[in-house]
Amino acid sequence: GQQVMQIPQYQHVQEGEDFTTYCNSSTTLSNIQWYKQRPGGHPVFLIQLVKSGEVKKQKRLTFQFGEAKKNSSLHITATQTTDVGTYFCAVVGGSNYKLTFGKGTLLTVNP
Amino acid sequence: DTAVSQTPKYLVTQMGNDKSIKCEQNLGHDTMYWYKQDSKKFLKIMFSYNNKELIINETVPNRFSPKSPDKAHLNLHINSLELGDSAVYFCASSQNRADQPQHFGDGTRLSIL
Repeated sequence: GQQVMQIPQYQHVQEGEDFTTYCNSSTTLSNIQWYKQRPGGHPVFLIQLVKSGEVKKQKRLTFQFGEAKKNSSLHITATQTTDVGTYFCAVVGGSNYKLTFGKGTLLTVNP
Repeated sequence: DTAVSQTPKYLVTQMGNDKSIKCEQNLGHDTMYWYKQDSKKFLKIMFSYNNKELIINETVPNRFSPKSPDKAHLNLHINSLELGDSAVYFCASSQNRADQPQHFGDGTRLSIL
């Protein structure tokens, strides 16, 4: 089935620093989704990228889909303590009804 | 109103017992899912139902039996609970296919003593 490698596994930053997490696949993806899970919470959908080279922004968050549609990144500018949580990428593969999640990047922010 | 609600929120029980988790969505979605999240936060699909029909059964032991009485409900029954079943179980739904945004419930934290 479809798999994605997500790095880094953990990232600790000082408040105000930037943060980036990456997802990589060995095969071409039809699309990719990003989710955020706060500590003790549930995954919350952030965005879906579909087009090659697509860039989408949500306030301080910038999402990119690679030109070859094999990788994606989520970049947070000037992190805040509210950004703490685990960020997951997720891709559909094997079946239209199966979403496979990356292992996630746990972001902690020092105030 | 909560979009995807699952009960109970916490479940503490002994090995060998049988337990059920219930899930309901009021979003009018056609597809519902069960995920298991282990202690390392790895989120893995267990089952996927579309319009009450089982679509995905991801090599889950047959002690786990999902049931979907209608497309708004997807319950999970677990027989003969084992220590390794300790995890957080999330119910989710999407409008139709998995390549559409999924909405998750708050999770059920299952602890086996």
